[in-house]
Amino acid sequence: QQQVKQSPQSLIVQKGGISIINCAYENTAFDYFPWYQQFPGKGPALLIAIRPDVSEKKEGRFTISFNKSAKQFSLHIMDSQPGDSATYFCACSFLGTSGTYKYIFGTGTRLKVLA
Amino acid sequence: NAGVMQNPRHLVRRRGQEARLRCSPMKGHSHVYWYRQLPEEGLKFMVYLQKENIIDESGMPKERFSAEFPKEGPSILRIQQVVRGDSAAYFCASSEGLAGGQQYFGPGTRLTVT
Repeated sequence: QQQVKQSPQSLIVQKGGISIINCAYENTAFDYFPWYQQFPGKGPALLIAIRPDVSEKKEGRFTISFNKSAKQFSLHIMDSQPGDSATYFCACSFLGTSGTYKYIFGTGTRLKVLA
Repeated sequence: NAGVMQNPRHLVRRRGQEARLRCSPMKGHSHVYWYRQLPEEGLKFMVYLQKENIIDESGMPKERFSAEFPKEGPSILRIQQVVRGDSAAYFCASSEGLAGGQQYFGPGTRLTVT
């Protein structure tokens, strides 16, 4: 019930295209859904995040779409650029018994944007 | 405001040696989390610490692994008698500790066991 399933594993997109990465979860206790971007040799960096009281959040070229009833959410990268080439992780967060939020990460999507 | 700092960035150890990984949280952050990332996999939670306290170690292997976050100084993740399977990237994150508080990640330590 703690699993987060992320797809696809890898993605190749032409410059200017739309990149779409999907995540699905099972635990309805999750209430915070961030996306992280990770470049080779670097730590993950927060890209954009959403809470389940809204269905969509947009920041620049990045949009999260959230479907609470389907327990799915996705990251859309509009006008994808070669500089967006990185690994993207979704995460689901919930308040654990320790009194702090625990993060469960997806397995990652390696995005390559062709120039 | 410096971000989360980890050192060393790369660490090579022979089987049976000890590995010590250090993490200095962001200024003002008193909560530290350690994650392990195996090649081609996501991040797996290991342990959550506050100053001088281990709050949640549900993701820590039962043997050879330990963590501390002393009153002064960085948090330390210690792996005794390393084995090849310990080779991974170890990331530290810190937060202010507020409910739902955002976690900020360091650059990671890449441990290679030969």
